[in-house]
Amino acid sequence: AQSVTQLDSHVSVSEGTPVLLRCNYSSSYSPSLFWYVQHPNKGLQLLLKYTSAATLVKGINGFEAEFKKSETSFHLTKPSAHMSDAAEYFCVVSEDTGFQKLVFGTGTRLLVSP
Amino acid sequence: GAGVSQSPSNKVTEKGKDVELRCDPISGHTALYWYRQSLGQGLEFLIYFQGNSAPDKSGLPSDRFSAERTGGSVSTLTIQRTQQEDSAVYLCASSLVSSGGSYEQYFGPGTRLTVT
Repeated sequence: AQSVTQLDSHVSVSEGTPVLLRCNYSSSYSPSLFWYVQHPNKGLQLLLKYTSAATLVKGINGFEAEFKKSETSFHLTKPSAHMSDAAEYFCVVSEDTGFQKLVFGTGTRLLVSP
Repeated sequence: GAGVSQSPSNKVTEKGKDVELRCDPISGHTALYWYRQSLGQGLEFLIYFQGNSAPDKSGLPSDRFSAERTGGSVSTLTIQRTQQEDSAVYLCASSLVSSGGSYEQYFGPGTRLTVT
C-alpha cells in the first residue's frame, strides 16, 4: 500500500520568509503525488500535482514542489510567505487500483505571522 | 453548477438516529468519492462511484454506513444508528474519470456531523 508521511504537524514562518513543508512517500511504483490546501471552513483545493512528467512542479499561488525519487520526497516550497497562506496543507498519494484512491498525509498547519 | 455541493453543511443528531448526507457533483463528472475527516483518523477514503456503481466499498467503517448514487449524479451517504465516533466532516469529491493519477478530484465544502 502507498502512504505519505508529513514530517511536521505545525510550521511557523514570518510573512515574506520562505516556506518549506516536508513530505516523504512510500510507493512500490512511480506514484502520482499531490499537495492540497484547506483553508478554515473551506473545501480542499489542489495546489499542484506530479504525474511522472517534470520533477519540478509549479502550482498555484507561487507554490512549487520537487519530486526526488532517490529521497522519496515531495517537499512543498514557496519563496515568500503571505498571510493568506495560513492554512492546513496535505500531501497526498494516489493509488491507481482501478480507480484513483487518494491517500492523505496527516497534514501540516502553516502559521504565518506578520 | 460551479463546483461540488454538499448538504447539509452542518448536522447535529442524537446517538442512534439515522442521517443522510447529500452530494451534488460537478456536472459531467462520472466519478464520485466520499471521504471522512476526523480528529483521530485524519482524512480517510470511504467509497467511490463510477457512474451509479460502487466497485469498492472497502473504506466504509461498518455496515451502518451505505451509499448510493442515482442518475450518475447525486449521491447520498447514509449512516444508520449513529454513534459518537461517527462525528466528523464528510467530504465528497468528483472527477471526470476514475482511473489515472492525472484527473483532479474536486472537493465539496463538506458536511460537519456531530453526534450527541
